[in-house]
Order: sequence, then structure tokens, then C-alpha cells
Amino acid sequence: EDKVVQSPLSLVVHEGDTVTLNCSYEVTNFRSLLWYKQEKKAPTFLFMLTSSGIEKKSGRLSSILDKKELFSILNITATQTGDSAVYLCASFGNEKLTFGTGTRLTIIP
Amino acid sequence: GAVVSQHPSRVICKSGTSVKIECRSLDFQATTMFWYRQFPKQSLMLMATSNEGSKATYEQGVEKDKFLINHASLTLSTLTVTSAHPEDSSFYICSARDGGNSYNSPLHFGNGTRLTVT
Repeated sequence: EDKVVQSPLSLVVHEGDTVTLNCSYEVTNFRSLLWYKQEKKAPTFLFMLTSSGIEKKSGRLSSILDKKELFSILNITATQTGDSAVYLCASFGNEKLTFGTGTRLTIIP
Repeated sequence: GAVVSQHPSRVICKSGTSVKIECRSLDFQATTMFWYRQFPKQSLMLMATSNEGSKATYEQGVEKDKFLINHASLTLSTLTVTSAHPEDSSFYICSARDGGNSYNSPLHFGNGTRLTVT
């Protein structure tokens, strides 16, 4: 059975801190790993990673994939209160997306 | 960017009635759409894969006769919760991939439907 595990489950930091969110996966016929940000409604797409070792970056967010060790990390630098959300990691394989339970990130002003 | 529209955003219905949720891809064609269900503080669980012009593929444990899926066109999929019960109350989200079924294209999500069955 495909499985995606995220850690930590929740994280509370002060504004300006840097955070690292972890995602490990066990997925047959792995194709890609995706990160989403979910606030009150549906998830919004952040990154899709298909190749090992290539960092993807968007502003203060960045992510990288290690296909040998089967994990990915999402980094957020200089956090802001608007970064407070649940961050979901999902792995695409066998023509379907399997989600982790998410990391709830809370940024304290 | 790709937009997926889901309607209604919120619905309250009485036990025993049926509710239809629509999912539209607004600026792209989607031969495949996915329906997820999310309980409070939990992750998204795939319910079924909706295929245009053919039968949906349901995940294990999802009752196909209760959650009817119709994918009549390349831009519209519907999920009908039949004979709804309070335990069906949940957040239902649809998604579609821009770029066909290529794994190189990310999924885009609708804004979800909050279903409350009284």
C-alpha cells in the first residue's frame, strides 16, 4: 500500500524563523512528489519534484527531492504570519496521488 | 493558471436526500478528474477517479452506489451523494490535471464543498 508520512505533525515558530518540513514516501511506480499549501479551503499547488537533487525555489520557499532515500523537504525562510497553514505532501504513482496527513504550521507574530 | 471550479461551496441537506456536486475545469480539458474527501484535521483521501466517457474507478471501501460519479464531458464531472446520512458530512474536493494524464503536470483543486447532513 502506498504511504506518505510527514513530520512534524505540527510546528509553531516565531515570525522570521526558518522551518523545514519533512516528507517520506513509499510509492510503487513513483512518478513525482508534490507540495501543497492548504489554508481554509482547497490546497494550492507549491512545487512538483520529479528529479533528485534539483532544488525548486519560489520566493522564500524551496524544496528538494531525494529519490534514493525516498524523502523530500520543504523549506520556508523568514517566515511570515501568512505562511500559517497546513502543508501537504503528496506522491504520484500508479496513476493516483497519495497524500500525507500534513504539517500544521503556525507562525506567531 | 489552470482553474478548477467546484459548486456548491457549501450545502446543508436532510438525511435521506441526495446532493450533487459539480466540478468544472474552466480553461483546460480534463479527461480525468479526481474526487477526494477530507475529514477535519485529516488529509485528503482519494474516493474515486472520474474518467470522461467511461465508468469511474472507485477506491477500496468507497461505495459506488452511494457516491455516483458522472464525467459527461471533458470539462465537467459530478459527484452525487445519494441517500445522504450524517456520517457523509465532510469536505469534498475535486481535482484535475492540466495536461492530460501526464505525471509531469500537477493537480489543480477546486475550492471544495462542505456537506452537512442533518
